[in-house]
Amino acid sequence: EAQVTQNPRYLITVTGKKLTVTCSQNMNHEYMSWYRQDPGLGLRQIYYSMNVEVTDKGDVPEGYKVSRKEKRNFPLILESPSPNQTSLYFCASSLSIRTGAYYGYTFGSGTRLTVV
Amino acid sequence: DQQVKQNSPSLSVQEGRISILNCDYTNSMFDYFLWYKKYPAEGPTFLISISSIKDKNEDGRFTVFLNKSAKHLSLHIVPSQPGDSAVYFCAASAGFSSGAGSYQLTFGKGTKLSVIP
Repeated sequence: EAQVTQNPRYLITVTGKKLTVTCSQNMNHEYMSWYRQDPGLGLRQIYYSMNVEVTDKGDVPEGYKVSRKEKRNFPLILESPSPNQTSLYFCASSLSIRTGAYYGYTFGSGTRLTVV
Repeated sequence: DQQVKQNSPSLSVQEGRISILNCDYTNSMFDYFLWYKKYPAEGPTFLISISSIKDKNEDGRFTVFLNKSAKHLSLHIVPSQPGDSAVYFCAASAGFSSGAGSYQLTFGKGTKLSVIP
């Protein structure tokens, strides 16, 4: 089944403890992206990647890192999480950025992160 | 600066009636628009799209209308069903017409639709 898989689905952590949220897709997609969803703010892009080793900042990159060493994986790294990073996170992918604009992205099921 | 605006955070509609969800955009470069549907505990899923060369696109019970001069689009669901209860996101991108845009999707804040049986 074609899908974007995020892990974990739920995570509670403490301020300052480094964590990684994994994202993997099995569709050979070039384009991958991370979003956070917050009440009243909708979906905001954190980072995106056009292909392997090509990443760039989205609208809200502060406090986050990403890497794209393999085509299928695009992990989101929080080096020193803070309570304002408590949010619902989504990973998304598409064959290319252009096809994503026309046919939409495939989203993962989300990761609910709470930082206390 | 919000480039894609969904000014109604929520909407309640009786089953069988029409649901109309609205979306406004400010960036005149946007020329391709999508609607996503999101259920709780799931990721958003693509619903329907429209390009700037059209003013209407239909897919079953779902129709999207685009008014370029007003920079406004709307999603009509007829008839509404309880299973349509979800958050609906409007998204826009630039590049379809010129081939030179970023193609990045910009999302609105979403509208929560509740269809009452």
